[in-house]
Amino acid sequence: DSGVTQTPKHLITATGQRVTLRCSPRSGDLSVYWYQQSLDQGLQFLIQYYNGEERAKGNILERFSAQQFPDLHSELNLSSLELGDSALYFCASSAGLARRNEQFFGPGTRLTVL
Amino acid sequence: AQKVTQAQTEISVVEKEDVTLDCVYETRDTTYYLFWYKQPPSGELVFLIRRNSFDEQNEISGRYSWNFQKSTSSFNFTITASQVVDSAVYFCALSVPGYGGATNKLIFGTGTLLAVQP
Repeated sequence: DSGVTQTPKHLITATGQRVTLRCSPRSGDLSVYWYQQSLDQGLQFLIQYYNGEERAKGNILERFSAQQFPDLHSELNLSSLELGDSALYFCASSAGLARRNEQFFGPGTRLTVL
Repeated sequence: AQKVTQAQTEISVVEKEDVTLDCVYETRDTTYYLFWYKQPPSGELVFLIRRNSFDEQNEISGRYSWNFQKSTSSFNFTITASQVVDSAVYFCALSVPGYGGATNKLIFGTGTLLAVQP
């Protein structure tokens, strides 16, 4: 158990809908990252927050947004969902911003868009 | 550009065989970190090891060992006397800076699926 929690574990929804994925980092970790794992794109970095502020952005679609709250939990919002958004979404956390900090991953949320 | 290449898509071995998973990386940074993660069939990503660019000493942890060679930009992972429980997808990753230099997002390779047969 990495100490990172994600809810829900599975999510099935229809095209055009909006969903929110939730992540609680390990106790004491200030950095939260979101990654998407799909068959065609592999594991891709989406976005990073540190202590409530956005720090880095990857190939995140404009339909997707995220935030980190004062209690350090984070939410990833996906809107106008398309079939291609079906994927496993991981949240990870680390102690800080240093590149040496290993990232600990949550169990993931499997999103299926029908 | 930063990139991680895992050329082996799938490897199948019989239990107790040794197996090496290859990882080749590209980066212009002089300071960088490399990681290996394991993704078992249950789906979670499990951190295995971190190595920085200044430390080329090989590392051994039980049946696992890692060979880091800057000259060939490789960070290979060997499992000795493989077991069925080692069956998983293994990812190599590179830590790269974002804007402002103060981030550590990971660039992952495509992963190697290791199947250990009993």
